Amino acid sequence: AQKVTQAQTEISVVEKEDVTLDCVYETRDTTYYLFWYKQPPSGELVFLIRRNSFDEQNEISGRYSWNFQKSTSSFNFTITASQVVDSAVYFCALSDSNSGYSTLTFGKGTMLLVSP
Amino acid sequence: DGGITQSPKYLFRKEGQNVTLSCEQNLNHDAMYWYRQDPGQGLRLIYYSQIVNDFQKGDIAEGYSVSREKKESFPLTVTSAQKNPTAFYLCASRTSGVARETQYFGPGTRLLVL
Repeated sequence: AQKVTQAQTEISVVEKEDVTLDCVYETRDTTYYLFWYKQPPSGELVFLIRRNSFDEQNEISGRYSWNFQKSTSSFNFTITASQVVDSAVYFCALSDSNSGYSTLTFGKGTMLLVSP
Repeated sequence: DGGITQSPKYLFRKEGQNVTLSCEQNLNHDAMYWYRQDPGQGLRLIYYSQIVNDFQKGDIAEGYSVSREKKESFPLTVTSAQKNPTAFYLCASRTSGVARETQYFGPGTRLLVL
C-alpha cells in the first residue's frame, strides 16, 4: 500500500531562518510522481512542485528547494530565509498507479509558523 | 479567468438533511475530485471522476454521492447517512490520461452541522 509520512506536525521558526520539511514515502511502483502543495490560511491548496521518479536532480525555485533521494524514499522541501508569508500547512503527495496515476495519497501535512 | 470555483464558502446542515456542494471548472480538465479535510488528518479522497457520466469511490465514500453530467461540473451531496459531516471539502481537477499531470484545487467549502 502507498503511504506518505510527514513526521513533523508543526514547526515554528523566526523570520530569516532556514527550514526543512521532511517527506518520506512508500511505494512498490517503479514509476511514480511526487508533489508538494501549500495550504495558506485561506484554505486553497496551491501546487508547488511535481517530480517524477526518474529525475533525481534537486530543484531550486527562488527561496524554495527540493531534495529527492530515491535511496531513502525521501522528498524534502527547504525554505531559505523564511518569511511570515510562508506560514501555511504544507502537504507532500504521491501518485497512485492503481488508479492509473489519477489519484494521490497525501501526507497529513506540516504546519509551518514563521514569526517576525 | 480559468480556474475552479466552489460554492458556497460556508454551508450549514441540519440533522437529517441532505446538502449539495458545488464544484465548477473551466480548465477543460477531464478528471475531477472531491476530498475531505479534517484537522490533523490530511486530505482523504471521497469520489473522483475521470470522464463524464463515470465516477469511482475513493477511500471514504460512505454517506456521500456525486454526479458528473457535464465536464465542467462535479457536485457532491452529503447525505443524512454521513453522521459526522463537519469538515472542509476541497474539489480538484486535472487533465486525464497523462500520468504526470497535476491536480489543481478550488478554494473549498466548510460544512458545519447545526
